[in-house]
Amino acid sequence: GNSVTQMEGPVTLSEEAFLTINCTYTATGYPSLFWYVQYPGEGLQLLLKATKADDKGSNKGFEATYRKETTSFHLEKGSVQVSDSAVYFCALLSNSNSGYALNFGKGTSLLVTP
Amino acid sequence: EPEVTQTPSHQVTQMGQEVILRCVPISNHLYFYWYRQILGQKVEFLVSFYNNEISEKSEIFDDQFSVERPDGSNFTLKIRSTKLEDSAMYFCASNGGIYEQYFGPGTRLTVT
Repeated sequence: GNSVTQMEGPVTLSEEAFLTINCTYTATGYPSLFWYVQYPGEGLQLLLKATKADDKGSNKGFEATYRKETTSFHLEKGSVQVSDSAVYFCALLSNSNSGYALNFGKGTSLLVTP
Repeated sequence: EPEVTQTPSHQVTQMGQEVILRCVPISNHLYFYWYRQILGQKVEFLVSFYNNEISEKSEIFDDQFSVERPDGSNFTLKIRSTKLEDSAMYFCASNGGIYEQYFGPGTRLTVT
């Protein structure tokens, strides 16, 4: 079946540090991959997506590249800010799903300190 | 910017009671979803809804659960007889196409 595995948190970084949050997946077919972010007290927001192998999704300085050979979609940012503190979820959408259900990882909490 | 809204933000109920969680999806969207997140666990898919019928549901979505689009704007999730293990954050989502699901802020359900 489909599944997503994320690195365990919490991750604590100083402002301007480099961020990597690892995500690997197992899926049938050719899934689309997503990163969602949840700021404190808010709902899930789509951060970026990639719909086919070798695509790079990017938004707000965050990037992730769809690597089919390693079944990975790691999230990176070159210089984090305090405002990036949130929970980050990697998610998968399989084209074998008739109802377009997202399959989420457990989430990784990020705390950025000044 | 259009957004998905959910009410109430927090619902406390006693075991065995019925609850209805309400969502207003983005107005021109056609696909609607419910997900839940038990504290400390991952977000789990419950059900998707399109063209006034369920298009997919998970193992979690048993006979205790039902969804309805009673009018042109609301999308509801009903739990007929709540259990302690139904305590979770429930998220509604909608999209107009395939990829980008827009999520509401969630309803925290506490069953005592």
